[in-house]
Amino acid sequence: QITLKESGPTLVKPTQTLTLTCTFSGFSLSTTGVGVGWIRQPPGMALEWLALIYWDDDKRYSPSLKSRLTITEDSSKNQVVLTMTNMDPVDTATYYCASLGFVSGSSSYYYYGMDVWGQGTTVTVSS
Amino acid sequence: DIQMTQSPSSVSASVGDRVTITCRASQGISNWLAWYQQKPGKAPKLLIYAASTLQSGVPSRFSGSASGTDFTLTISGLQSEDFATYYCQQAHTFPWTFGQGTKVDFK
Repeated sequence: QITLKESGPTLVKPTQTLTLTCTFSGFSLSTTGVGVGWIRQPPGMALEWLALIYWDDDKRYSPSLKSRLTITEDSSKNQVVLTMTNMDPVDTATYYCASLGFVSGSSSYYYYGMDVWGQGTTVTVSS
Repeated sequence: DIQMTQSPSSVSASVGDRVTITCRASQGISNWLAWYQQKPGKAPKLLIYAASTLQSGVPSRFSGSASGTDFTLTISGLQSEDFATYYCQQAHTFPWTFGQGTKVDFK
């Protein structure tokens, strides 16, 4: 059974750096094809994809946030960490991590979205 | 970025109704379209991927289809547990993008 859980501060001040940790079980980031992504959702608003990391340490970021985001993984701890610098009140949101759904092709993998999600962690940015 | 436009933004329905939600991509995404269901205070749940493939464990009253850049989620025989917000998401091109959501509530 795959599970993921987000952890981190619930309140950060403007200009501070946010560090969120996704701790997962039921799969390994050392396994070929596997990936983990981060998504956020401001209160009452739609979902926004932020970043993802693949088993081979390849990474993708939302261009609008790329300068502020860093995603890393620690396979030995089954964790993926997202850092976001220079936090602003507009970054107030629930942040989710999720495992990537994929299908195997003859020589590659095709990723179709996020198949198992964590419960989310709410982050408020306020002085 | 590829824009995903959902319609309607909300729909009022009754148990047993057939509900159809549409998602239009601003450019071609082949069939790399997923649908999620989200209930208040909960994480989204994957319902359908690759436009029409039902995720394991999802009831068969949910179905998805595609026609060009238009994608449809249909709930055939709405159940009380289906009242929620539904999002589409494209996984064809980075950045992955979501629609703005469609809320299905009680008529």
